[in-house]
Amino acid sequence: KNEVEQSPQNLTAQEGEFITINCSYSVGISALHWLQQHPGGGIVSLFMLSSGKKKHGRLIATINIQEKHSSLHITASHPRDSAVYICAVRSQGAQKLVFGQGTRLTINP
Amino acid sequence: DTGVSQDPRHKITKRGQNVTFRCDPISEHNRLYWYRQTLGQGPEFLTYFQNEAQLEKSRLLSDRFSAERPKGSFSTLEIQRTEQGDSAMYLCASSLGAGGFYEQYFGPGTRLTVT
Repeated sequence: KNEVEQSPQNLTAQEGEFITINCSYSVGISALHWLQQHPGGGIVSLFMLSSGKKKHGRLIATINIQEKHSSLHITASHPRDSAVYICAVRSQGAQKLVFGQGTRLTINP
Repeated sequence: DTGVSQDPRHKITKRGQNVTFRCDPISEHNRLYWYRQTLGQGPEFLTYFQNEAQLEKSRLLSDRFSAERPKGSFSTLEIQRTEQGDSAMYLCASSLGAGGFYEQYFGPGTRLTVT
């Protein structure tokens, strides 16, 4: 079992829909990251959190430390949100990130 | 642009050849990370540096791989005697790494194709 599991692996939705991507992890962490990767490979950090909830524009990230679970929500989704979304965790005392497999999101107009 | 840069962006090489990639981190960042990403998978950790010291290496980093950061600024990743299984995107990231809660900033990656 991977340390970081994401679901779903693929998600297709219509423009305007509310999107939820889930991330579960099995280790104690000091931080969890949500990252966005567009075709061509570049990775952009969306959120870094260790508790509670963060919001940036139409994106919301939540984390439940006790349940070892995080969600990324996108409100009013748009075709430009189409990308791979990756969850990554930094274990307590570690420096490296451990990544999930990613969720490929496609938003159709 | 003062982000993380990587060179080259794409490299096609024949099996058995040696390749070297370069990463230039954000200038004040003292930590530098190398990751590898194969198609359809999330990135996997290879190694990281704090200044010029290589502090951790993954078991993925076989003897054919070597990474350096000689002056604590840019870093190079060399793969000797490349194999088809080395085909992947090689990502570099950097961070301030002052301990605690820090963010890693990623470069655009170098896509390696071994034929």
